Amino acid sequence: KQEVTQIPAALSVPEGENLVLNCSFTDSAIYNLQWFRQDPGKGLTSLLLIQSSQREQTSGRLNASLDKSSGRSTLYIAASQPGDSATYLCAAYSGGYQKVTFGTGTKLQVIP
Amino acid sequence: NAGVTQTPKFQVLKTGQSMTLQCAQDMNHNSMYWYRQDPGMGLRLIYYSASEGTTDKGEVPNGYNVSRLNKREFSLRLESAAPSQTSVYFCAGGWGAGSPLHFGNGTRLTVT
Repeated sequence: KQEVTQIPAALSVPEGENLVLNCSFTDSAIYNLQWFRQDPGKGLTSLLLIQSSQREQTSGRLNASLDKSSGRSTLYIAASQPGDSATYLCAAYSGGYQKVTFGTGTKLQVIP
Repeated sequence: NAGVTQTPKFQVLKTGQSMTLQCAQDMNHNSMYWYRQDPGMGLRLIYYSASEGTTDKGEVPNGYNVSRLNKREFSLRLESAAPSQTSVYFCAGGWGAGSPLHFGNGTRLTVT
């Protein structure tokens, strides 16, 4: 059974700092790895999707990488801003309608 | 574009009461999903519908029923609510197995 872990559970950084969020998964046979952002009281907003054949994806200040062999994905946020404060979740897609496993998230606070 | 819309946003029930959570999407999704999100446990799949006219159990289906009314709408029913069903419920849609999920904003349900 796929397990997805995100450490740390919470992170606080000063504005302007570059930071890395981690996502580990136990079964390397994944199709996609998706990063989401969740604001308090809101749903999940997709940030980046990495297909299994890709190594990374970039969108603005965000860069996500995928290393299937080591069971890891990282989300890099450059020049963090207070507006980046949210919970970030990763999800591993292992194929099939049921086989999407979510991590419990990293709650990020960017301090002005 | 509305995307995935859930109603209601908030609900308080007493133990034993019933209710239906509604979900509608205008993204032409073939598959639709119901998840629950609990602190420290990540999102867990309750039921899904791979296509119009089909529904299947997910990881935590007990105490719930679903109806795929048409391609756009997928409802979740609690027949006799229990305090253990206090949670945030998310509906999501996708274009098939392994395709990225798009989430609604959630329904926050409290059962007393």
